[in-house]
Amino acid sequence: AQTVTQSQPEMSVQEAETVTLSCTYDTSENNYYLFWYKQPPSRQMILVIRQEAYKQQNATENRFSVNFQKAAKSFSLKISDSQLGDTAMYFCAFITNTGNQFYFGTGTSLTVIP
Amino acid sequence: NAGVMQNPRHLVRRRGQEARLRCSPMKGHSHVYWYRQLPEEGLKFMVYLQKENIIDESGMPKERFSAEFPKEGPSILRIQQVVRGDSAAYFCASSLTLVTGGMNEQFFGPGTRLTVL
Repeated sequence: AQTVTQSQPEMSVQEAETVTLSCTYDTSENNYYLFWYKQPPSRQMILVIRQEAYKQQNATENRFSVNFQKAAKSFSLKISDSQLGDTAMYFCAFITNTGNQFYFGTGTSLTVIP
Repeated sequence: NAGVMQNPRHLVRRRGQEARLRCSPMKGHSHVYWYRQLPEEGLKFMVYLQKENIIDESGMPKERFSAEFPKEGPSILRIQQVVRGDSAAYFCASSLTLVTGGMNEQFFGPGTRLTVL
């Protein structure tokens, strides 16, 4: 079975601080892609960062970076210098190389406190 | 290049009525995916369509739900005889190529929030 687990339903961080959102997943496939999506109150799904499972180097995108541990099936998101606009739901997701659908976690609600 | 468009953004129906949700993919995209997001949950896959074909409907409820993507016009997700449990946000995504996997990036629309009274 393909599953994604986000064990932190809610988190908060002070503005300008760093926060890490955790995600674990399970798949029997060897080739897949991992994603973090942001969903602000507008409910639009916005791609934050993605990682190819065959790449060992962790992806970075400006203030966003991941810690990808393939053996542990862990894919955490680190947000540096948190900004008020980062307040949103964050979803971890993956798609296998042979599949057509995304598998999403239940999300982490992040609040950035001024 | 306009993104994925969905309408309506909000839809209210009474129990037993029909709901029609529309999705216009990005220009040039011929693959459409529908996802449902129940309250307090992540998105769950429902169906994958190409023009005039349903490719994978493994996530679609067997009754009352149907989807189409005609040769011309938007993709339609149709829910007949809606019940309160159908209240959710319905997201459409589209992609360009036939290659499966993450590099065949799916672009999401803004969603339609369905409320069943």
